[in-house]
Amino acid sequence: DQQVKQNSPSLSVQEGRISILNCDYTNSMFDYFLWYKKYPAEGPTFLISISSIKDKNEDGRFTVFLNKSAKHLSLHIVPSQPGDSAVYFCAASTSGTYKYIFGTGTRLKVLA
Amino acid sequence: DVKVTQSSRYLVKRTGEKVFLECVQDMDHENMFWYRQDPGLGLRLIYFSYDVKMKEKGDIPEGYSVSREKKERFSLILESASTNQTSMYLCASSQTPHRGQPQDEQFFGPGTRLTVL
Repeated sequence: DQQVKQNSPSLSVQEGRISILNCDYTNSMFDYFLWYKKYPAEGPTFLISISSIKDKNEDGRFTVFLNKSAKHLSLHIVPSQPGDSAVYFCAASTSGTYKYIFGTGTRLKVLA
Repeated sequence: DVKVTQSSRYLVKRTGEKVFLECVQDMDHENMFWYRQDPGLGLRLIYFSYDVKMKEKGDIPEGYSVSREKKERFSLILESASTNQTSMYLCASSQTPHRGQPQDEQFFGPGTRLTVL
């Protein structure tokens, strides 16, 4: 039972345009969400997070939006750069637990 | 600079061999995790540990065991490796949050690509 889903396995975007990566979850107890970026042959690195008490969090070119009623979050990258080409994982957690549930990942390719 | 290191980047083993994957973190984190990453399946949690000598099963513990004798070190053991355990193995660590606070981000090692022939 996949509690966190990333339905798009891949996405291609032109350099300078907006990249939008989507993530859906089923467990209403999740109250904290993160996005990780992973390059080949490296471990994932933390990108940005959002608490369920917010609906938006911004950090430079990266913005995460949370729609609790739809159980949906998205990551916006503006403007996209070739160095953003990587696999992006969303992850969800419940306060008081130790672990995160990860999605299946979306491979982003930013074309120069 | 925080660091999670894994003993090998690439490993090739034969079916039936006992395999040890080692992970060390230098951040004094209480929590450590082992995941495997497979195409189309994302990161799946095998085991985690929230304290020395403590361990809990994740989502796919079958065929694996773990050991945490020291706070900084978390080992994943494949008692008898099988071909379906060919995968990328990722270790992570995190701090225990204060009561009522969300889990902190996890810091990942570079991964070990294990091939079982």
